[in-house]
Order: sequence, then C-alpha cells, then structure tokens
Amino acid sequence: SAVISQKPSRDICQRGTSLTIQCQVDSQVTMMFWYRQQPGQSLTLIATANQGSEATYESGFVIDKFPISRPNLTFSTLTVSNMSPEDSSIYLCSVERGMEQYFGPGTRLTVT
Amino acid sequence: AQSVTQLGSHVSVSEGALVLLRCNYSSSVPPYLFWYVQYPNQGLQLLLKYTSAATLVKGINGFEAEFKKSETSFHLTKPSAHMSDAAEYFCAVSDPNAGSSNTGKLIFGQGTTLQVKP
Repeated sequence: SAVISQKPSRDICQRGTSLTIQCQVDSQVTMMFWYRQQPGQSLTLIATANQGSEATYESGFVIDKFPISRPNLTFSTLTVSNMSPEDSSIYLCSVERGMEQYFGPGTRLTVT
Repeated sequence: AQSVTQLGSHVSVSEGALVLLRCNYSSSVPPYLFWYVQYPNQGLQLLLKYTSAATLVKGINGFEAEFKKSETSFHLTKPSAHMSDAAEYFCAVSDPNAGSSNTGKLIFGQGTTLQVKP
C-alpha cells in the first residue's frame, strides 16, 4: 500500500491568487499523478509528474495554469495559478504501486 | 480512445437488497478496470481491480465484479446492501500498454451515488 498526505486539506482563496498544494508519499515512487474533481463530477487527470523532468499535462491543462514540481521521489506540489471560481474543486494526488493506484485525501479548494 | 460509462448517476436500494452498479467501457485493447468508493468528505479507496487474470474479481466489503469482454462491461455487485455502503462509486479504466505506468493514468466514469434505505 501507500500512505499519501496532502496539505492543505482545504482552503478558501480569492480569485486572482495562487495556491500551492503539497503531496507527500511514505516511500519512493517513480510517478505521481494529479487529478481534479469538480463539484459533483468525476475525476480528471491533470498531469503526470516524474522526478527530474517536466510534468506531462493532459489535454485541457497547461503548465502556466497548473505548474508542478517534483523535487524528489516522495514529494510533489501542484500550484493553481490566477484562480477563478471555476477552479473550485478537490485536487487529489495519487501514486501507482503494485498495479494499484492510491489516492491522497484531497485538497478541497473554494475560490471566491 | 478509452472511455467509461456508468449507467445511472443515482441508485437506491433497500438494506439487505442486491446492489448492482453498472459500468461499460470502450477500449481498443483489453484494459485494466477498477472500482473505487468515495465516502463523504474522504478520499478514494480501491474496491477491486481487473488486470487480465480471473474475470470474476472479489473485492473488499463483500463487493465483486465480473469482466465481460463480449459486453464490454464490468458491473459491480454485492448480494446484500448495508447502510455503510452508501457512498459514491467510480468505475475507472487504464491502458495496460500505457508504457511505464500501467495503471497510473486512469479514466473515470461519472460516478454513481448509492443510497441505502433502511
């Protein structure tokens, strides 16, 4: 299994500001994934983060809006930049281990 | 391109009744398939997975699912619903040929909210 923690667990932010979400895994993993779950919606993959290289973004997501860092094999950050109310979502990081995907508890973001 | 369709955004059953949550997938290759559960204000928990072994997969909390290639389905069942089963359930698919990450890039269905009535 994998134990994943995220900070903050929730936040309320003003539009136009940025928020950085941290994800910490209990042991080393090659890839970390960031997902978004908009209110009442399913999960959508934002990007895949490998250590030592730029993140790979899915269609509809860009680095300027969602910059990602992956400084080591147990940690990653996702920044939601220049926020608007449409960015209000739960952001989850996940890792793959043993052909299973484990998810963090999520960061609930509300943009006012 | 892969996709997942969950039939029924809300399912309501009585306690003790059969639970059936439907999931159909579209994939050009035999996929890996997963069911996750999300309790209110909690993260996702893996219920079970299909990764090309046995077609009938047993998971946690008494749930099971059967992979039917001919029907491109992976429906989730539980013989007897419990009040604690009330949650959001997500079906997800990944491409086993996705490179170094076999299961990391998941495509999720829209989710089904299960309500269990006393």
